Amino acid sequence: EVQLVESGGGLVQPGRSLRLSCAVSGFTFDDYGMHWVRQVPGKGLEWVSGITWNSGNIQYADSLKGRFTISRDNAKNSLFLQVDSLRAEDTAFYYCAKGGVASLAGPFDFWGQGTLVTVSS
Amino acid sequence: DIVMTQSPDSLAVSLGERATINCKSGRNLLYRSNNKNYLAWYQQKPGQPPKLLIYWASTRESGVPDRFSGSGSGTDFTLTISSLQAEDVAVYYCQQYYDPPLTFGGGTKVDIK
Repeated sequence: EVQLVESGGGLVQPGRSLRLSCAVSGFTFDDYGMHWVRQVPGKGLEWVSGITWNSGNIQYADSLKGRFTISRDNAKNSLFLQVDSLRAEDTAFYYCAKGGVASLAGPFDFWGQGTLVTVSS
Repeated sequence: DIVMTQSPDSLAVSLGERATINCKSGRNLLYRSNNKNYLAWYQQKPGQPPKLLIYWASTRESGVPDRFSGSGSGTDFTLTISSLQAEDVAVYYCQQYYDPPLTFGGGTKVDIK
């Protein structure tokens, strides 16, 4: 059974940093691209970043470049998202999603339950 | 960036009736070398993560009921629920995965009339 479990969310003060993790199981992690998607409660989906199977191609949403860093550890079946200089508008659920292919050009066929990041003083 | 525009924002359909959601892409999503449209549809129920319904514009994901179908090519796409069931109440999103940054439509909320 495919499982993606996010962790690392919580209440954070503006300007601080946070590292989100996604532990996966049930599939061969290093065969697939992976993604982070966020959703402000009650709003739509926003793709944050994607990383190919070997970290050879990494992409970010234009508005988020510079503060967000995606990475993966294939030996540990884990995906990460480092977020720096957090702002109130970063408050959202952050979902880890499995790509359907090794590159970034595939649908997201499995999703985690999400971790809530709240940025507030 | 490729802008994805969904319509309507919401719709209410009687049980057993057809629901139709439209999605328009700001760029052609048909990749000529493999004749595939890089377009997916997702369903999100309250309190749950999104679920993949359709990919390559018209291929149903395993386990998805056949009342869900996707059509269209290029820049104009449609998700159809042929006979709405109570469990289909959700928000539906289209997404392009043709070119990063990958982008979603704004979502369409489907309710029972």
